[in-house]
Amino acid sequence: GAGVSQSPSNKVTEKGKDVELRCDPISGHTALYWYRQSLGQGLEFLIYFQGNSAPDKSGLPSDRFSAERTGGSVSTLTIQRTQQEDSAVYLCASSLSPGEEQFFGPGTRLTVL
Amino acid sequence: KQEVTQIPAALSVPEGENLVLNCSFTDSAIYNLQWFRQDPGKGLTSLLLIQSSQREQTSGRLNASLDKSSGRSTLYIAASQPGDSATYLCAVHAGGTSYGKLTFGQGTILTVHP
Repeated sequence: GAGVSQSPSNKVTEKGKDVELRCDPISGHTALYWYRQSLGQGLEFLIYFQGNSAPDKSGLPSDRFSAERTGGSVSTLTIQRTQQEDSAVYLCASSLSPGEEQFFGPGTRLTVL
Repeated sequence: KQEVTQIPAALSVPEGENLVLNCSFTDSAIYNLQWFRQDPGKGLTSLLLIQSSQREQTSGRLNASLDKSSGRSTLYIAASQPGDSATYLCAVHAGGTSYGKLTFGQGTILTVHP
């Protein structure tokens, strides 16, 4: 595709439910990143995948958050037992290789009621 | 821990003015620095990437400079237009154990009046 795509664009869920957010990176990009943007915290790093290496999960806020990247392409961010403080915009980015220019998708706006 | 600060938090100017947005970072051991713009309700659009070995980068009416030793970058916008209205974000890509991650400033909200 021409750019990074994310789905869904909006997700409303009830507290305690699990949600899955999807990211399709730019074709050929080996590095994929997830960030979260919330009013109080700004933009913060969550997790980073590079090729077949173990992901850098150092930014995940709790063990309710997990992510996987299948076949070195599509990634899914899963939030279990959602809480109201998980409400935010979740942004995915990709780059040709680590350290190169990062290109962002349009984000998924998550609202936990 | 790397911290990124952007000044001013908000800026309102008339169309046609040249303007400067400032970004500072606490750890000068960076790999590169990237400037983005974000329109309301949208994702981030990459504007410029400056490698740590570079002093500046230019794209159209935009010019970004980097002074790594003093931990500063500026984004210069020439002949501003209403379409430039957006939030501008500075992000630092640190090396070492932080390799691969961007640390963002809080952004500068720019409004350009016709």
